[in-house]
Amino acid sequence: DTAVSQTPKYLVTQMGNDKSIKCEQNLGHDTMYWYKQDSKKFLKIMFSYNNKELIINETVPNRFSPKSPDKAHLNLHINSLELGDSAVYFCASSQDFRGGYNEQFFGPGTRLTVL
Amino acid sequence: DQQVKQNSPSLSVQEGRISILNCDYTNSMFDYFLWYKKYPAEGPTFLISISSIKDKNEDGRFTVFLNKSAKHLSLHIVPSQPGDSAVYFCAASSGGDDKIIFGKGTRLHILP
Repeated sequence: DTAVSQTPKYLVTQMGNDKSIKCEQNLGHDTMYWYKQDSKKFLKIMFSYNNKELIINETVPNRFSPKSPDKAHLNLHINSLELGDSAVYFCASSQDFRGGYNEQFFGPGTRLTVL
Repeated sequence: DQQVKQNSPSLSVQEGRISILNCDYTNSMFDYFLWYKKYPAEGPTFLISISSIKDKNEDGRFTVFLNKSAKHLSLHIVPSQPGDSAVYFCAASSGGDDKIIFGKGTRLHILP
C-alpha cells in the first residue's frame, strides 16, 4: 500500500520515441506534481495539478504533456524524446494546493534514459 | 540563479557526533523552509520544516535553525546514526506558493 507509486521505475528508449510515466497516490490528496532531477542533481518542479486542474506549468517544452484523469492520478507523456530528457522524474502529492506549506509525498522516481 | 544553495556536496561524520548541514538562500520572499531526506532509489521524504516567524524548530534528534538576516539555515542531527546516511535537500517556498525550490542536496555519510 505505497502512498505514491510510479510506473515504470526504469525506462530506456531511443531518441524520437514517445513514452508515458504513470503516477498514482492513495493519500486522498488534492494536489499532485511532477519534478525532474537532472544530472546536476537539481530537483525542479515541472507541473502541478490541483483537483485535475493545471496550476503550475514551469518552462517545460511542450513535448511534455501532463494528464490528470482524476485527482489520484497524474501521468506524464513525453513526445519526441531527446537526449537531454534523460533524468529521474519524481511524482509527488500534497494535501492541497499550498504545497509550499504542506509536506509533499514523493514517489520512488522513474529513471529515464534516452539513447 | 540558484535561489537555494547547499555548498557542501558531501559531509562525513562519526556515529554519535553531531551532523550540521547548511543551506543558504537568496530570495528574501521565502517564508517557509523544509528539509527532505533521500535514500538511493527512493523519493525524498519530508524531515522537518520551519516558518520564517521562528528561528528554531526541534523534532527529536533533528533541529533546524533559521537566521533570516544571514539568509541561512542549518539542520542539526544529534546524535548521528548509521541510518542518517542519505542525501539531504534544503527547500524553500514563499507565501504558501505551491512551488518549492530545492537545493542540490548534501550527501551525509555516517562513519562507524
